[in-house]
Amino acid sequence: AQSVTQPDIHITVSEGASLELRCNYSYGATPYLFWYVQSPGQGLQLLLKYFSGDTLVQGIKGFEAEFKRSQSSFNLRKPSVHWSDAAEYFCAVGARGNEKLTFGTGTRLTIIP
Amino acid sequence: GAGVSQSPSNKVTEKGKDVELRCDPISGHTALYWYRQSLGQGLEFLIYFQGNSAPDKSGLPSDRFSAERTGGSVSTLTIQRTQQEDSAVYLCASSPEWGSQHFGDGTRLSIL
Repeated sequence: AQSVTQPDIHITVSEGASLELRCNYSYGATPYLFWYVQSPGQGLQLLLKYFSGDTLVQGIKGFEAEFKRSQSSFNLRKPSVHWSDAAEYFCAVGARGNEKLTFGTGTRLTIIP
Repeated sequence: GAGVSQSPSNKVTEKGKDVELRCDPISGHTALYWYRQSLGQGLEFLIYFQGNSAPDKSGLPSDRFSAERTGGSVSTLTIQRTQQEDSAVYLCASSPEWGSQHFGDGTRLSIL
């Protein structure tokens, strides 16, 4: 069965600092990987996705993620965070990118001035 | 453009009542999904519709939960005889046949 682990429940960073959110997955075949962001009271917004090809993927809002098959990881990065990045971030894995997604438990990001 | 629309945005009901949650997917999207987001449980898959195929109901937690999708568009998630553990945010998503899922803002369900 597929699973996703986000080991950090809560991360606090200073505005302007760099960010890395960790995601490890377990999946029997080539995974389709996603990062979503959720602001309070909102649904999930897709930040980026990996289906195949270049293992470094660029997303919206200046985020990027790198797929590392050898480490079963898909970590999310941003070089300089903004106060508006404060939200909950979810990593997810799926098959063919079009069936049920399995989500991690999320990482809550707090930005301090 | 119009995104995934869910209604109501909030629903408070008494234990034992039935509730219906509605999802209007993005026009042209063939796939529709329901997820539940609850404290301590994260996001869990409930059910998935793809075109005219039989739905994947493998995530429904009990036979009190059911869903239908009429005309390949609007979907209704029904919870019968609600229990307090059903309190959660119910999220709907839709996608093209080959594409990423787009989520609505959810229905926050509170069972008293």
